[in-house]
Amino acid sequence: KQEVTQIPAALSVPEGENLVLNCSFTDSAIYNLQWFRQDPGKGLTSLLLIQSSQREQTSGRLNASLDKSSGRSTLYIAASQPGDSATYLCGGVTGGSEKLVFGKGTKLTVNP
Amino acid sequence: DAGITQSPRHKVTETGTPVTLRCHQTENHRYMYWYRQDPGHGLRLIHYSYGVKDTDKGEVSDGYSVSRSKTEDFLLTLESATSSQTSVYFCAISGLAGGGGTDTQYFGPGTRLTVL
Repeated sequence: KQEVTQIPAALSVPEGENLVLNCSFTDSAIYNLQWFRQDPGKGLTSLLLIQSSQREQTSGRLNASLDKSSGRSTLYIAASQPGDSATYLCGGVTGGSEKLVFGKGTKLTVNP
Repeated sequence: DAGITQSPRHKVTETGTPVTLRCHQTENHRYMYWYRQDPGHGLRLIHYSYGVKDTDKGEVSDGYSVSRSKTEDFLLTLESATSSQTSVYFCAISGLAGGGGTDTQYFGPGTRLTVL
């Protein structure tokens, strides 16, 4: 059974800092991994989807990587801004399944 | 915005009453999902659908049923609501133009349900 973990649960950084959010998974047969952003009281917004055949995906200031062998994905945010403050969740789909298994998220606060 | 609406957005009900939540999409995605989100548990899959009248259970399906009679609508029913079903419920869609359930998932705004 796939298990997804996000550590730390909360992170506070000053504006302008580059930062990395971590996502670990237990089953290396992962098919793809998605990163989402959730603002308070809102639904999830998809940021990046990275397939198992890819190593990286980029969108603007965001870069996601996937390393199946180590069971780890990272979301890199460059030059963080207060508007980046939100909870970031990752979710993985394991081969043979069509179900996303989510981590519990990392709450990011970017201080002006 | 992937064209997903959920109704109602907020509901307060009493223990033992039936409750139906509706998810409506305008994007013709093949797959639709119902999740619940709770502090300390994160997002958990309740049921999902891979086509009209085709549904399957998720991780926390007990006490819930679903129906999908049209591509655009996916209903979640709590037959007899309990306080443990107090939660925020999210609908999601994926699989545009016949694509699979492993495509990007897009989420609705959520329904906050309180069972007294």
